[in-house]
Amino acid sequence: DTEVTQTPKHLVMGMTNKKSLKCEQHMGHRAMYWYKQKAKKPPELMFVYSYEKLSINESVPSRFSPECPNSSLLNLHLHALQPEDSALYLCASSLTGTTRNQPQHFGDGTRLSIL
Amino acid sequence: GESVGLHLPTLSVQEGDNSIINCAYSNSASDYFIWYKQESGKGPQFIIDIRSNMDKRQGQRVTVLLNKTVKHLSLQIAATQPGDSAVYFCAENNDYKLSFGAGTTVTVRA
Repeated sequence: DTEVTQTPKHLVMGMTNKKSLKCEQHMGHRAMYWYKQKAKKPPELMFVYSYEKLSINESVPSRFSPECPNSSLLNLHLHALQPEDSALYLCASSLTGTTRNQPQHFGDGTRLSIL
Repeated sequence: GESVGLHLPTLSVQEGDNSIINCAYSNSASDYFIWYKQESGKGPQFIIDIRSNMDKRQGQRVTVLLNKTVKHLSLQIAATQPGDSAVYFCAENNDYKLSFGAGTTVTVRA
């Protein structure tokens, strides 16, 4: 079992809905990440939080809004998504914000489908 | 483009045989590499990592080899089992960002 927990595991939403994805880790890691993964492709980085502050936004559309309420929690707020946003959304964490020589540990993701 | 890539998209291996999964990288300044295993319906699972000051590292049934001269990374799995069937990604850890290769799908034949 992964030490990074993501909820929900599956989410189906319409293009006008607002929903949130949640991620939690209790490993004392201070860096957390959101990735998007399309079928048969590698994960693509979306956001990086380091010590609860957003440090990287990989030019993600504003319909995705991340939030880091504390060092253990990471949310991804979704609004007005498009069908092409259907994907597996992965959360990861690592020990510190400068992940040099430190592995990132992933959750099992939320499978998102946009109708 | 990607700085880390895999040579083959698929690999079929007989149960009990050894598997070798290859990866090429282009950034000669990269100094840390990770192999991940992703099973169907799961997130990437850390397998093993290696720093650039090493050329070999062993884990349980797995060995990672790093050849900095030709910028090549490989993962060897000994006595491949059905549970080893998955997609394997190499990744280059560059400060805050992981750059993933395209992945190799390993299928174990009974």
